[in-house]
Amino acid sequence: LAKTTQPISMDSYEGQEVNITCSHNNIATNDYITWYQQFPSQGPRFIIQGYKTKVTNEVASLFIPADRKSSTLSLPRVSLSDTAVYYCLVGEKNYGQNFVFGPGTRLSVLP
Amino acid sequence: NAGVMQNPRHLVRRRGQEARLRCSPMKGHSHVYWYRQLPEEGLKFMVYLQKENIIDESGMPKERFSAEFPKEGPSILRIQQVVRGDSAAYFCASSPPGLNEQFFGPGTRLTVL
Repeated sequence: LAKTTQPISMDSYEGQEVNITCSHNNIATNDYITWYQQFPSQGPRFIIQGYKTKVTNEVASLFIPADRKSSTLSLPRVSLSDTAVYYCLVGEKNYGQNFVFGPGTRLSVLP
Repeated sequence: NAGVMQNPRHLVRRRGQEARLRCSPMKGHSHVYWYRQLPEEGLKFMVYLQKENIIDESGMPKERFSAEFPKEGPSILRIQQVVRGDSAAYFCASSPPGLNEQFFGPGTRLTVL
């Protein structure tokens, strides 16, 4: 299972765009990149998943360079309610397997 | 479609007692995963089950811990003779067959006195 590395924490202000980068140097050919969000005392919640280039949904965008050794989660115009821990995970899409959660990135959005 | 349900949400046990944690996956999901989370840490995988089968239990301690996902009913994570170090949040996730998109429940917070 590919190991991921993310910043431990980040601070931002309301209304700013936040970019969280994750390194996954030994990502395998069949691996997808998935981001989860976790609020205190809650289970992680799926944000976005991608394989290459760019994926966008109503919540975030995911940028993946050609070598796929890193990815960047982009949150546009964050609000106070985006304060949470964000986890980057890699794993096969069509095969059930456990996810390896690192410590994640603790994002604090300030007023 | 209701989400993943876990109960109880909070469980208090004394050392030496047994803890039973239940997880009802989303409708149509036949894969269940259990994770443990200590305060200020990421989730740690414990076990992956499909209906009536344990697929991967590499993250589960060999002693005192067991898991099952019967043909009918919820998945059960059982911890026998609990110790203080078992105090943690236990999360269950489910996914549909053939896809590794995991949907997490709200967790059960186990406190061992």
